[in-house]
Formats: sequence, C-alpha cells, structure tokens
Amino acid sequence: QSVLTQPPSVSAAPGQKVTISCSGSSSNIGNNYVSWYQQLPGTVPKLLIYENNKRPSGIPDRFSGSKSGTSATLGITGLQTGDEADYYCGTSDSSLSAGVFGGGTKLTVL
Amino acid sequence: EVQLVESGGGLVQPGGSLRLSCAASGFTFSSYWMTWVRQAPGKGLEWVANIKQDGSKKNYVDSVKGRFTISRDNAKNSLYLQMNSLSAEDTAMYHCVRAAYSDEGFDHWGQGTLVTVSS
Repeated sequence: QSVLTQPPSVSAAPGQKVTISCSGSSSNIGNNYVSWYQQLPGTVPKLLIYENNKRPSGIPDRFSGSKSGTSATLGITGLQTGDEADYYCGTSDSSLSAGVFGGGTKLTVL
Repeated sequence: EVQLVESGGGLVQPGGSLRLSCAASGFTFSSYWMTWVRQAPGKGLEWVANIKQDGSKKNYVDSVKGRFTISRDNAKNSLYLQMNSLSAEDTAMYHCVRAAYSDEGFDHWGQGTLVTVSS
C-alpha cells in the first residue's frame, strides 16, 4: 500500500485532456513539493513536473501540475498515443523522513 | 551530459549480501543529494534511501533499515548501497537517482542494476 494514492488507470481519446490525481497527507503533499514522472514501457522514469507545477526544459506545456491541500494533480492536454505510459507522483514525507511515491497510474489513449 | 551508471547487481541467495555502485559523471557530484529507488518486476517505484551531499545525513525506507547502508565517495564520484540479509522482497531493479529539486525531485535516473534474490 503506497503512502500516496493514485488511481490505477485512466483513459481518454487522442486530442482530449486527462487528469491524474495524487492524494496524501499533511506530512507529505500537504507540506512538501510534488513531482511527477512518466515511465514509458521499458524505460526509466522521466521527470515531467517538479515543485508542484514547474516543467523541466524540454517538457511540453501540454503537461501541467497543481497542488491543493493534501492532493496534487497532473494534467495532460492534447493527448497523443505516445503519452501511453505509467505516471507516478512523488514527494518527501516529513514523518517518515523518507521519500514516497504513489502506486502509479496507467494512462491509455484509446 | 549527466550520466549515472549502476553496477553490482546479480543473483544472490536469501540471506546473502550485495554491494551496488553508481558511477556519476557530467556534473558536480558533491553538490547533490543522491537517492536509490527500486522497482520490482511489474510493480511501482519504491524509494529506498538517500544521502546528503557530504554524507552526514542518511535516510532509509522502513523495510530496509538495519539491513541496507547507503554511502558515497565524492572523490570518486560514486554512490553505493550495501545490502545485507536480502530476501525475495528485495528483488528489483535498483536505480541511482540525482535529486536536483526540492523534496526528492529527481531529474536524472540511471538505467539500473537488477538484483534477484532466489535460491
């Protein structure tokens, strides 16, 4: 059971928008920055969003992040078949003195 | 170009030990917290341990406390993970990761080294 809770799967049609939620608590998301990662099949995770809503260079603005209270959300617009991947949220947990990840969400672009 | 190259994985019997290494290049290694993240086959990501720039602070996930030890050698640009008392639950790909952003924001990941614990 992961400390951060994500839906196991989401799906949407090409060109549409999808959101992926990440729920935590005051010891993690509530008081720390959230990052989001994309893991394409057979590859290592890639940073999409850091510090809640910032994009590393090279990440298109189709990807966005937000945080409210103890929850965070990843948004993807203009869905492409190449976006099919597993998506993970992550942050630090002050009570555990450790990093934590969500269980991952598999995105299917129908 | 930032590179993180892990080594040291392999097949080990339950109760055995392994020492993983990560060779870093392309950046000032001593300026970054470093982390080990693992991923069991077909499963999600699990944060394992991290270490401060000068090695003075280390943190571990509860499931490895007392069994795993993270360390670094800044003169050799290397990160290590000593793993003892291994069990089947430790079977996973182990990734060396650079924490460039606040609260474990990982910007570079090594390809990983596979640890398989089996008799």
